Amino acid sequence: GQQVMQIPQYQHVQEGEDFTTYCNSSTTLSNIQWYKQRPGGHPVFLIQLVKSGEVKKQKRLTFQFGEAKKNSSLHITATQTTDVGTYFCAGQGSGAGSYQLTFGKGTKLSVIP
Amino acid sequence: DARVTQTPRHKVTEMGQEVTMRCQPILGHNTVFWYRQTMMQGLELLAYFRNRAPLDDSGMPKDRFSAEMPDATLATLKIQPSEPRDSAVYFCASGLVLAGWETQYFGPGTRLLVL
Repeated sequence: GQQVMQIPQYQHVQEGEDFTTYCNSSTTLSNIQWYKQRPGGHPVFLIQLVKSGEVKKQKRLTFQFGEAKKNSSLHITATQTTDVGTYFCAGQGSGAGSYQLTFGKGTKLSVIP
Repeated sequence: DARVTQTPRHKVTEMGQEVTMRCQPILGHNTVFWYRQTMMQGLELLAYFRNRAPLDDSGMPKDRFSAEMPDATLATLKIQPSEPRDSAVYFCASGLVLAGWETQYFGPGTRLLVL
């Protein structure tokens, strides 16, 4: 079945430093989504990428979808303490009826003030 | 502000007891998902429904877990009998299909502790 690998598992950064998490799928995806889960909270949808090579920005967050639609990355510029949490990528398969998302295990970001 | 609601938010029970978790999806959403989250395994998909019909429950231990959608406003996840290894956070999410792709909206979760 489809597998989604995410690295690193943990990342500790000094406030103001940049942060990047990477996501790789074993199969070609129709789209990839990113979610953020604050400590003690629930995953919250951030963004969806659909097109090959797509790049989207949300303020200090930059999301990329690979050309082969099998990998993605999330980059945060100049991290802030409000960025603390676990970031999940979730891939949706490209086969017919592939409704379910396969989540990576997440990257837990800690920001040291 | 439409949200997925889940009850109870916290549940402590003893091994062998039945546990029922409830979810109210966002009105108009036609897909419902149940996930289990633990430190070791991360987010695991247990079951999902589309238009109230079960599409996939392969991630769910069949002998003790069951998931149903008695109507469009209610999804349930039952564990009988519960075991300590079932201790986890159980999330319900509802989905909206747009152009064939789906975004999921998670509820606050039920934090289950089985002693």
